[in-house]
Amino acid sequence: SQTIHQWPATLVQPVGSPLSLECTVEGTSNPNLYWYRQAAGRGLQLLFYSVGIGQISSEVPQNLSASRPQDRQFILSSKKLLLSDSGFYLCAWSVRGNEDEQYFGPGTRLTVT
Amino acid sequence: GESVGLHLPTLSVQEGDNSIINCAYSNSASDYFIWYKQESGKGPQFIIDIRSNMDKRQGQRVTVLLNKTVKHLSLQIAATQPGDSAVYFCAESDAGGTSYGKLTFGQGTILTVHP
Repeated sequence: SQTIHQWPATLVQPVGSPLSLECTVEGTSNPNLYWYRQAAGRGLQLLFYSVGIGQISSEVPQNLSASRPQDRQFILSSKKLLLSDSGFYLCAWSVRGNEDEQYFGPGTRLTVT
Repeated sequence: GESVGLHLPTLSVQEGDNSIINCAYSNSASDYFIWYKQESGKGPQFIIDIRSNMDKRQGQRVTVLLNKTVKHLSLQIAATQPGDSAVYFCAESDAGGTSYGKLTFGQGTILTVHP
């Protein structure tokens, strides 16, 4: 069966510090990968998606970037965090060819202070 | 841009009652819809989906109804249990385009089930 991991689960970082969140998927190959952000009490906003290694599409201009160094690894980064980067970050995957059915990881709660 | 929204932000029911959570969408090109359940501090969990060529789909204790005429989606939960308490999101996708499975999420409805 497929599983998706995210770490860390929670993170408190000062403004201006760098960020690196990691997501890995097990039990599947060539998945589509996604990064979402969820503000408190709100729906999910798609940040990035990737259809393959090194292929990243950005949905919204922001202080964040994403990379996919390996087939089942997706990384969300920032060089300098802003207060507005606080939120719940979710990684998701889907099967190539069935892109709409997405499965989410446990999320990372980021608080920028 | 297109948006998906919910009619009711909160819903409180008694254990054993049936629950109905509603969702309106505005993108007439949307052809795939999903309901997710999100418990506090966790990622969304896939519940059930429906494609636009259907108007009803049933799962275990859940039924999704799609009314394309009025762009309305609903999730029915039968015999609601305390474990069903969560935030429920609808999401839509224009799967027939080049969206690569980009889902647009509604704001969510908080379902609270009282024992």
